[in-house]
Amino acid sequence: AQSVAQPEDQVNVAEGNPLTVKCTYSVSGNPYLFWYVQYPNRGLQFLLKYITGDNLVKGSYGFEAEFNKSQTSFHLKKPSALVSDSALYFCAVRAPEAGYSTLTFGKGTMLLVSP
Amino acid sequence: EPEVTQTPSHQVTQMGQEVILRCVPISNHLYFYWYRQILGQKVEFLVSFYNNEISEKSEIFDDQFSVERPDGSNFTLKIRSTKLEDSAMYFCASHGGGAETQYFGPGTRLLVL
Repeated sequence: AQSVAQPEDQVNVAEGNPLTVKCTYSVSGNPYLFWYVQYPNRGLQFLLKYITGDNLVKGSYGFEAEFNKSQTSFHLKKPSALVSDSALYFCAVRAPEAGYSTLTFGKGTMLLVSP
Repeated sequence: EPEVTQTPSHQVTQMGQEVILRCVPISNHLYFYWYRQILGQKVEFLVSFYNNEISEKSEIFDDQFSVERPDGSNFTLKIRSTKLEDSAMYFCASHGGGAETQYFGPGTRLLVL
């Protein structure tokens, strides 16, 4: 089975400060890892993904994430937060080698950026 | 930029009624999915569909649920006899295969009374 843990229900950060949203995963084989963002009453928007190669991946809106195989983590980061980054962030994993073509999501982390 | 579309955006129905949720995946995509998100909870996988048949389904996807691709563009989720606990946001997603990203539609909010 594959699973994702997002240990924080909410992350609060002041505008202009760096932000980190944590994600750890459990999967057999090599994972494909994703971050999606959900704004209120909206669908899931893709931010970035790790498939293979460089452990640091860059995505939309200045976000980046670092794949750490030894710690089975894929934390989302941004050097300088904006108020408009406030939203619900979901980490997700696929493990195709294990026969999983579907995404398994974490429970989500609400990011609140204060002015 | 191509996107996944879903209709209706909201649906209210009485318990026991049938509902059909519609999705138009991105046109050159081959894999189609339904997920749901109960209010305040995480997104859960329901079913995947490839080559005109179900490829995977979760425990949630029981006999009350069915999926269909009736033509070259639409992908539908039918709930035969809705229950109160079916109230959720239902998301359709598609991707082209391999390591490609799954792109999600805006969702249909279903409320069963």
